[in-house]
Amino acid sequence: DAKTTQPNSMESNEEEPVHLPCNHSTISGTDYIHWYRQLPSQGPEYVIHGLTSNVNNRMASLAIAEDRKSSTLILHRATLRDAAVYYCILRPSGGGSNYKLTFGKGTLLTVNP
Amino acid sequence: DAGVTQSPTHLIKTRGQQVTLRCSPKSGHDTVSWYQQALGQGPQFIFQYYEEEERQRGNFPDRFSGHQFPNYSSELNVNALLLGDSALYLCASSLKDRLTKYIQYFGAGTRLSVL
Repeated sequence: DAKTTQPNSMESNEEEPVHLPCNHSTISGTDYIHWYRQLPSQGPEYVIHGLTSNVNNRMASLAIAEDRKSSTLILHRATLRDAAVYYCILRPSGGGSNYKLTFGKGTLLTVNP
Repeated sequence: DAGVTQSPTHLIKTRGQQVTLRCSPKSGHDTVSWYQQALGQGPQFIFQYYEEEERQRGNFPDRFSGHQFPNYSSELNVNALLLGDSALYLCASSLKDRLTKYIQYFGAGTRLSVL
Protein backbone atom coordinates (compact mmCIF):
# COMPACT_ATOMS: atom_id res chain seq x y z
CA ASP A 1 0.00 0.00 0.00
CA ALA A 2 1.20 3.51 -0.78
CA LYS A 3 2.45 5.39 2.27
CA THR A 4 1.31 8.74 3.68
CA THR A 5 3.27 11.14 5.87
CA GLN A 6 1.56 13.50 8.30
CA PRO A 7 2.87 15.73 11.09
CA ASN A 8 2.52 14.10 14.51
CA SER A 9 0.66 17.06 15.96
CA MET A 10 -0.73 20.50 15.16
CA GLU A 11 -2.28 23.25 17.18
CA SER A 12 -4.99 25.73 16.26
CA ASN A 13 -7.12 28.41 17.83
CA GLU A 14 -10.87 28.21 17.97
CA GLU A 15 -12.73 29.80 15.04
CA GLU A 16 -9.58 29.97 12.92
CA PRO A 17 -8.99 27.88 9.76
CA VAL A 18 -6.84 24.76 10.04
CA HIS A 19 -4.81 23.23 7.23
CA LEU A 20 -3.77 19.64 7.85
CA PRO A 21 -1.12 18.45 5.36
CA CYS A 22 -0.50 14.96 4.02
CA ASN A 23 2.32 13.84 1.75
CA HIS A 24 1.85 10.79 -0.46
CA SER A 25 4.64 10.91 -3.02
CA THR A 26 4.21 7.26 -4.06
CA ILE A 27 0.49 7.59 -4.82
CA SER A 28 -0.66 5.71 -7.91
CA GLY A 29 -2.98 7.14 -10.51
CA THR A 30 -5.99 5.22 -9.22
CA ASP A 31 -5.55 5.75 -5.47
CA TYR A 32 -8.30 7.70 -3.75
CA ILE A 33 -7.35 10.03 -0.87
CA HIS A 34 -9.52 9.53 2.20
CA TRP A 35 -9.57 11.47 5.47
CA TYR A 36 -10.97 10.11 8.69
CA ARG A 37 -10.81 11.57 12.18
CA GLN A 38 -11.00 9.97 15.59
CA LEU A 39 -12.37 11.95 18.49
CA PRO A 40 -11.39 10.92 22.03
CA SER A 41 -13.01 7.65 23.12
CA GLN A 42 -14.70 7.14 19.76
CA GLY A 43 -14.12 5.17 16.61
CA PRO A 44 -12.85 6.87 13.46
CA GLU A 45 -15.30 9.03 11.53
CA TYR A 46 -15.30 9.59 7.77
CA VAL A 47 -14.54 13.19 6.82
CA ILE A 48 -14.02 13.45 3.08
CA HIS A 49 -12.39 11.79 0.08
CA GLY A 50 -11.27 12.69 -3.42
CA LEU A 51 -9.33 11.51 -6.46
CA THR A 52 -8.03 14.50 -8.43
CA SER A 53 -10.28 17.50 -7.97
CA ASN A 54 -10.77 19.53 -4.81
CA VAL A 55 -13.79 18.45 -2.79
CA ASN A 56 -16.06 20.23 -0.34
CA ASN A 57 -18.63 18.91 2.09
CA ARG A 58 -20.32 20.16 5.23
CA MET A 59 -17.40 19.06 7.42
CA ALA A 60 -14.34 20.14 5.49
CA SER A 61 -12.60 20.80 2.19
CA LEU A 62 -9.96 18.65 0.55
CA ALA A 63 -7.34 20.34 -1.61
CA ILE A 64 -5.34 17.97 -3.81
CA ALA A 65 -2.07 19.07 -5.41
CA GLU A 66 -1.92 18.99 -9.19
CA ASP A 67 0.67 16.19 -9.15
CA ARG A 68 -1.35 14.39 -6.44
CA LYS A 69 1.76 13.91 -4.31
CA SER A 70 0.21 15.84 -1.45
CA SER A 71 -3.16 16.96 -0.14
CA THR A 72 -4.51 19.26 2.55
CA LEU A 73 -7.58 18.87 4.70
CA ILE A 74 -9.07 22.26 5.48
CA LEU A 75 -11.31 22.95 8.45
CA HIS A 76 -12.67 26.40 7.76
CA ARG A 77 -13.44 27.40 11.35
CA ALA A 78 -12.07 25.09 14.00
CA THR A 79 -14.18 24.39 17.05
CA LEU A 80 -13.27 22.61 20.26
CA ARG A 81 -15.20 19.59 18.93
CA ASP A 82 -12.71 19.31 16.07
CA ALA A 83 -9.94 18.26 18.44
CA ALA A 84 -9.10 14.75 17.24
CA VAL A 85 -6.55 12.57 15.47
CA TYR A 86 -6.83 13.09 11.72
CA TYR A 87 -5.85 10.25 9.39
CA CYS A 88 -4.94 10.61 5.73
CA ILE A 89 -5.42 7.28 3.93
CA LEU A 90 -4.80 6.12 0.37
CA ARG A 91 -7.31 3.60 -0.88
CA PRO A 92 -6.60 1.69 -4.10
CA SER A 93 -9.51 1.51 -6.50
CA GLY A 94 -10.48 -1.62 -8.39
CA GLY A 95 -10.67 -5.16 -7.05
CA GLY A 96 -8.48 -7.01 -4.59
CA SER A 97 -7.14 -4.73 -1.89
CA ASN A 98 -9.71 -2.00 -2.13
CA TYR A 99 -11.81 -2.92 0.88
CA LYS A 100 -9.53 -2.17 3.79
CA LEU A 101 -8.42 1.16 5.18
CA THR A 102 -4.71 1.37 6.02
CA PHE A 103 -4.28 3.85 8.87
CA GLY A 104 -1.01 5.51 9.87
CA LYS A 105 -0.50 7.35 13.16
CA GLY A 106 -2.30 10.47 11.97
CA THR A 107 -2.06 14.06 13.18
CA LEU A 108 -3.25 14.98 16.65
CA LEU A 109 -5.04 18.33 16.34
CA THR A 110 -5.36 20.44 19.47
CA VAL A 111 -7.79 23.35 19.38
CA ASN A 112 -7.24 26.14 21.88
CA PRO A 113 -10.18 28.20 23.16
CA ASP B 1 -31.15 5.51 13.08
CA ALA B 2 -28.76 3.48 15.22
CA GLY B 3 -25.16 3.58 14.20
CA VAL B 4 -22.68 0.74 14.59
CA THR B 5 -23.01 -0.86 18.02
CA GLN B 6 -20.41 -3.04 19.69
CA SER B 7 -20.54 -5.15 22.81
CA PRO B 8 -19.19 -5.35 25.38
CA THR B 9 -17.54 -1.95 25.81
CA HIS B 10 -14.82 -3.30 28.08
CA LEU B 11 -13.49 -6.78 28.73
CA ILE B 12 -10.74 -8.25 30.89
CA LYS B 13 -9.33 -11.68 30.10
CA THR B 14 -6.26 -13.68 31.09
CA ARG B 15 -3.61 -15.15 28.83
CA GLY B 16 -4.70 -18.30 27.02
CA GLN B 17 -8.39 -17.57 27.25
CA GLN B 18 -10.74 -17.06 24.33
CA VAL B 19 -12.91 -14.00 23.68
CA THR B 20 -15.88 -13.14 21.46
CA LEU B 21 -16.71 -9.57 20.49
CA ARG B 22 -19.96 -8.59 18.82
CA CYS B 23 -20.98 -5.97 16.31
CA SER B 24 -24.27 -4.79 14.87
CA PRO B 25 -23.84 -2.78 11.68
CA LYS B 26 -25.54 0.49 10.87
CA SER B 27 -29.08 -0.03 9.63
CA GLY B 28 -29.09 -0.96 5.95
CA HIS B 29 -25.41 -1.90 5.83
CA ASP B 30 -24.33 -5.34 4.66
CA THR B 31 -20.54 -5.34 5.07
CA VAL B 32 -18.59 -5.50 8.33
CA SER B 33 -14.88 -4.91 8.90
CA TRP B 34 -12.86 -5.40 12.07
CA TYR B 35 -9.82 -3.42 13.15
CA GLN B 36 -7.39 -3.61 16.07
CA GLN B 37 -6.06 -0.38 17.55
CA ALA B 38 -3.14 -0.53 19.97
CA LEU B 39 -2.53 2.43 22.26
CA GLY B 40 -1.08 5.39 20.37
CA GLN B 41 -1.39 3.69 16.98
CA GLY B 42 -3.83 3.87 14.10
CA PRO B 43 -6.32 1.03 13.58
CA GLN B 44 -5.02 -2.08 11.82
CA PHE B 45 -7.30 -4.04 9.48
CA ILE B 46 -8.10 -7.59 10.64
CA PHE B 47 -10.70 -8.78 8.11
CA GLN B 48 -13.91 -7.93 6.31
CA TYR B 49 -17.12 -9.94 5.94
CA TYR B 50 -19.70 -9.72 3.21
CA GLU B 51 -22.51 -12.19 2.45
CA GLU B 52 -21.40 -14.24 5.46
CA GLU B 53 -17.95 -14.85 3.99
CA GLU B 54 -14.52 -13.43 4.78
CA ARG B 55 -13.73 -11.26 1.79
CA GLN B 56 -10.33 -9.87 2.73
CA ARG B 57 -7.90 -10.45 5.58
CA GLY B 58 -5.09 -8.41 7.04
CA ASN B 59 -1.84 -9.64 8.54
CA PHE B 60 -3.29 -11.38 11.60
CA PRO B 61 -2.78 -14.98 12.73
CA ASP B 62 -5.42 -17.69 12.52
CA ARG B 63 -6.16 -17.15 16.22
CA PHE B 64 -8.32 -14.32 14.94
CA SER B 65 -11.50 -15.55 13.31
CA GLY B 66 -14.87 -14.11 12.55
CA HIS B 67 -18.38 -14.76 11.48
CA GLN B 68 -21.18 -12.84 9.85
CA PHE B 69 -24.80 -13.77 10.42
CA PRO B 70 -27.73 -13.53 7.98
CA ASN B 71 -28.85 -10.30 9.67
CA TYR B 72 -25.37 -8.85 8.83
CA SER B 73 -24.23 -8.70 12.46
CA SER B 74 -20.77 -10.06 13.12
CA GLU B 75 -18.54 -11.62 15.75
CA LEU B 76 -14.79 -11.48 16.19
CA ASN B 77 -13.23 -14.43 18.03
CA VAL B 78 -9.71 -14.46 19.39
CA ASN B 79 -8.27 -17.73 20.74
CA ALA B 80 -5.28 -18.32 23.00
CA LEU B 81 -5.07 -14.70 24.06
CA LEU B 82 -1.66 -13.07 24.37
CA LEU B 83 -0.72 -9.97 26.33
CA GLY B 84 -0.14 -8.24 22.99
CA ASP B 85 -3.79 -8.71 22.05
CA SER B 86 -4.70 -5.96 24.52
CA ALA B 87 -6.18 -3.23 22.35
CA LEU B 88 -9.30 -1.41 21.23
CA TYR B 89 -11.22 -3.55 18.72
CA LEU B 90 -13.24 -1.56 16.27
CA CYS B 91 -16.05 -2.69 14.03
CA ALA B 92 -16.96 -0.76 10.89
CA SER B 93 -19.86 -1.23 8.54
CA SER B 94 -20.46 -0.14 4.98
CA LEU B 95 -22.96 -0.65 2.21
CA LYS B 96 -22.07 -2.41 -1.04
CA ASP B 97 -23.41 0.48 -3.07
CA ARG B 98 -21.45 1.90 -5.98
CA LEU B 99 -21.26 5.41 -4.54
CA THR B 100 -20.82 4.75 -0.82
CA LYS B 101 -19.22 1.32 -0.48
CA TYR B 102 -15.82 2.71 0.42
CA ILE B 103 -17.08 4.86 3.29
CA GLN B 104 -16.87 2.96 6.55
CA TYR B 105 -18.83 3.81 9.69
CA PHE B 106 -17.14 2.83 12.94
CA GLY B 107 -18.46 1.83 16.32
CA ALA B 108 -16.93 3.09 19.56
CA GLY B 109 -15.06 -0.17 20.02
CA THR B 110 -14.47 -2.83 22.64
CA ARG B 111 -11.50 -2.28 24.96
CA LEU B 112 -9.87 -5.67 25.62
CA SER B 113 -7.32 -6.04 28.38
CA VAL B 114 -5.36 -9.28 28.62
CA LEU B 115 -3.66 -9.91 31.98
